[in-house]
Amino acid sequence: QKEVEQNSGPLSVPEGAIASLNCTYSDRGSQSFFWYRQYSGKSPELIMSIYSNGDKEDGRFTAQLNKASQYVSLLIRDSQPSDSATYLCAVNKPNFGNEKLTFGTGTRLTIIP
Amino acid sequence: DARVTQTPRHKVTEMGQEVTMRCQPILGHNTVFWYRQTMMQGLELLAYFRNRAPLDDSGMPKDRFSAEMPDATLATLKIQPSEPRDSAVYFCASGRDRGEQYFGPGTRLTVT
Repeated sequence: QKEVEQNSGPLSVPEGAIASLNCTYSDRGSQSFFWYRQYSGKSPELIMSIYSNGDKEDGRFTAQLNKASQYVSLLIRDSQPSDSATYLCAVNKPNFGNEKLTFGTGTRLTIIP
Repeated sequence: DARVTQTPRHKVTEMGQEVTMRCQPILGHNTVFWYRQTMMQGLELLAYFRNRAPLDDSGMPKDRFSAEMPDATLATLKIQPSEPRDSAVYFCASGRDRGEQYFGPGTRLTVT
């Protein structure tokens, strides 16, 4: 089992709809969870962090965390063509505190105008 | 607007040559990470430092790769000798206590 798993996609969503990206992780001790957005040819950009169960909203983005199910998700409301990118889920490795992250392989999202 | 900087942005070199990549972390960040990204392997951690001390370089091929942090404003990653399989994008990231990492623009390395 991979430490962090994501559906590689591609995930196609019509403009204006909600895009839902999912991530599962294997280590129950993980405490810090992050979503990064990576445009083609660019570096990963941190867009959301979440540390406790529940929802965290920032603009059109909502991160959801369920530690019991070892599941973290990212919702993008009112999807725009500029949201087309690869989204990476990252989870901390507990033996290294909050510092060391394991990244998923990413989900490629395409917003269709 | 604080950012991680990396040089060079692109590097093309011949097999067997030494390659040095440099990174300036965000001022005040106490952790620095080196990652390699390829289509096949995704994002792999090579090494990381906390307060300039190396903590984990288990992801790095020890015989040819080395990472150092000579001062708080400079981290280096060296490959000697370089091989075609080292062709990838190398990212530096820096962070603080809560685990958030901020990535530099990367160095795209091509070894022919």
